[in-house]
Amino acid sequence: KAGVTQTPRYLIKTRGQQVTLSCSPISGHRSVSWYQQTPGQGLQFLFEYFSETQRNKGNFPGRFSGRQFSNSRSEMNVSTLELGDSALYLCASSLDPGGISPLHFGNGTRLTVT
Amino acid sequence: QQQVKQSPQSLIVQKGGISIINCAYENTAFDYFPWYQQFPGKGPALLIAIRPDVSEKKEGRFTISFNKSAKQFSLHIMDSQPGDSATYFCAASKNTGNQFYFGTGTSLTVIP
Repeated sequence: KAGVTQTPRYLIKTRGQQVTLSCSPISGHRSVSWYQQTPGQGLQFLFEYFSETQRNKGNFPGRFSGRQFSNSRSEMNVSTLELGDSALYLCASSLDPGGISPLHFGNGTRLTVT
Repeated sequence: QQQVKQSPQSLIVQKGGISIINCAYENTAFDYFPWYQQFPGKGPALLIAIRPDVSEKKEGRFTISFNKSAKQFSLHIMDSQPGDSATYFCAASKNTGNQFYFGTGTSLTVIP
């Protein structure tokens, strides 16, 4: 079974631009979560989607948004990029949204904002 | 504030030794406690997980010890190998969704 696929692997953007990251979950997984990983803050929860609905949202500004499609694929968007948005963005899928199933992570998208 | 506190930040162990990483939490609503292993350039991968109704869980060389009253849990890696050199994260979640709270990570180096 293919794992979680994230594209692109690397992105370089300029301050003020916007960016869209894509995630394809493991086949059969309907819950998709996004996390931001930085050396200073570690892994921080962004949001979770299940059946195209956002179920939980972390403590990030409204510039961070996401969506999920009917095939469970998900995208996250960051608008008006800031230097502090430079991070590894990880997508994780799970069989169910109950919080007691393991998360399966992709290898992430490394975003650099200059 | 950090909902899950992890220590130590880094750990160096001799091959064949025992690696021990500790985590503590405050929120008694947490219901699931996984450990993840992350290699450079890769996403975290689930290593082992435990529910609070169990005090210990063992899978191969990896053991989670869980102390509900102290709100602490730890990962023990027996017979540590150089291939175990990675960053380890503890995490916790409630049964209300897949919002996981992660510890700050422990960089483990196993020297031959």
